Amino acid sequence: AQSVTQLGSHVSVSEGALVLLRCNYSSSVPPYLFWYVQYPNQGLQLLLKYTSAATLVKGINGFEAEFKKSETSFHLTKPSAHMSDAAEYFCAVTIKRDSSYKLIFGSGTRLLVRP
Amino acid sequence: GAGVSQSPRYKVAKRGQDVALRCDPISGHVSLFWYQQALGQGPEFLTYFQNEAQLDKSGLPSDRFFAERPEGSVSTLKIQRTQQEDSAVYLCASSNRDRPFYEQYFGPGTRLTVT
Repeated sequence: AQSVTQLGSHVSVSEGALVLLRCNYSSSVPPYLFWYVQYPNQGLQLLLKYTSAATLVKGINGFEAEFKKSETSFHLTKPSAHMSDAAEYFCAVTIKRDSSYKLIFGSGTRLLVRP
Repeated sequence: GAGVSQSPRYKVAKRGQDVALRCDPISGHVSLFWYQQALGQGPEFLTYFQNEAQLDKSGLPSDRFFAERPEGSVSTLKIQRTQQEDSAVYLCASSNRDRPFYEQYFGPGTRLTVT
């Protein structure tokens, strides 16, 4: 069964430091992978997605992620954290069954940015 | 254009009451999803519509949960005889294609509290 695992429920970085949020997936077929961000009391916003076109995917707000099949990973990075990056981040994989599909989310990582 | 909207944003219900949660997807979007997000967790899939057809309701936790999209646009999630374990944020998402690699656009959610 397809699933994602996010290591670390909380990550704390200093402003200007590298952000690394980890996501590992389990899939028997080439996966479609997504990173979403959720700010307090808001819905989820897509940061970036992997659809097999390129292994290094660039997203909004300076975030990027690299798909590594050998490691079954899709970690999210940003070279320099900004205070406005503080939020909850979710990795997700698409599951398709018959004529239906859905997102399966990880449990999330809360990013804290220290001044 | 306008994004996905949901109403009400907050709902408090006494145990045993029925509630109805509304979702207005982005105009023209074929696919519509409902997710349930418990406190501190990632969203979990409830049900999927393609136009007015409910193609997947495998995530609905019990027969107290019912969703409809009669004209292929607005959707309503109804919960009968609410229980405390139904307390969660209910997220609606829409997509303009019925393909798994297309982005799902999320609404702000309805926070349901059952007392």
